[in-house]
Amino acid sequence: QVQLVESGGGMVQPGRSLRLSCEASGFTFSSYGMHWVRQAPGKGLEWVAVISYDGSNKYYADSVKGRFTISRDISKNTLYLQMNSLRAEDTAVYYCAKVISAYELLFGDTSFDSWGQGTLVTVSS
Amino acid sequence: QSVLTQPPSVSGAPGQRVTISCTGSSSNIGAGYNVHWYQKLPGTAPKLLIYGNSNRPSGVPDRFSGSKSGTSASLAITGLQAEDEADYYCQSYDTSLSGPWVFGGGTRLTVL
Repeated sequence: QVQLVESGGGMVQPGRSLRLSCEASGFTFSSYGMHWVRQAPGKGLEWVAVISYDGSNKYYADSVKGRFTISRDISKNTLYLQMNSLRAEDTAVYYCAKVISAYELLFGDTSFDSWGQGTLVTVSS
Repeated sequence: QSVLTQPPSVSGAPGQRVTISCTGSSSNIGAGYNVHWYQKLPGTAPKLLIYGNSNRPSGVPDRFSGSKSGTSASLAITGLQAEDEADYYCQSYDTSLSGPWVFGGGTRLTVL
């Protein structure tokens, strides 16, 4: 069965960096696009970033563009989110999510059929 | 301000039927893009409930159903149970600057 396990969250000061990881199992990781979605305290879900199944294409929400970098290591079945220049408004639970169909185009009308348990990132001085 | 608009809260008694609306625009739902629904319990990961407007993943009870018309979509829950108390989010694809993948603000379902 599909399993996504995030790690790497924690408390960090504004302007510092953090790298989140999402270890995948139970499916062919190299065949599926992956996303990061976050939820700030008391708020709704917000899409953050996407990477294509082969890692060749990426896209970011305007709120994180230029500061966050999504990547994947097929050999380790792991998705990453490198977060630099963190701000207080980046405080949230970060979820990795798998798209429902294999080999989807980067930009597509898709849903997320599996999610990790989330990792909390707190940006505070 | 979410691109997709949901009521903040709905409620119903056990056994009743409730619906949750999701209103979009011509750049998302009205453009023909699908609507997907997620159930989120506090402290847990979102769970895909409905995909492609009206399809249920394996394991989701048929008490949950989805529909779409024009620029809106709805999630219906029949035979309400205490375990259905959760937050529900709609999601779609959007071609405006707000996109591409957008969520509603979420609806808290309270089972009375």
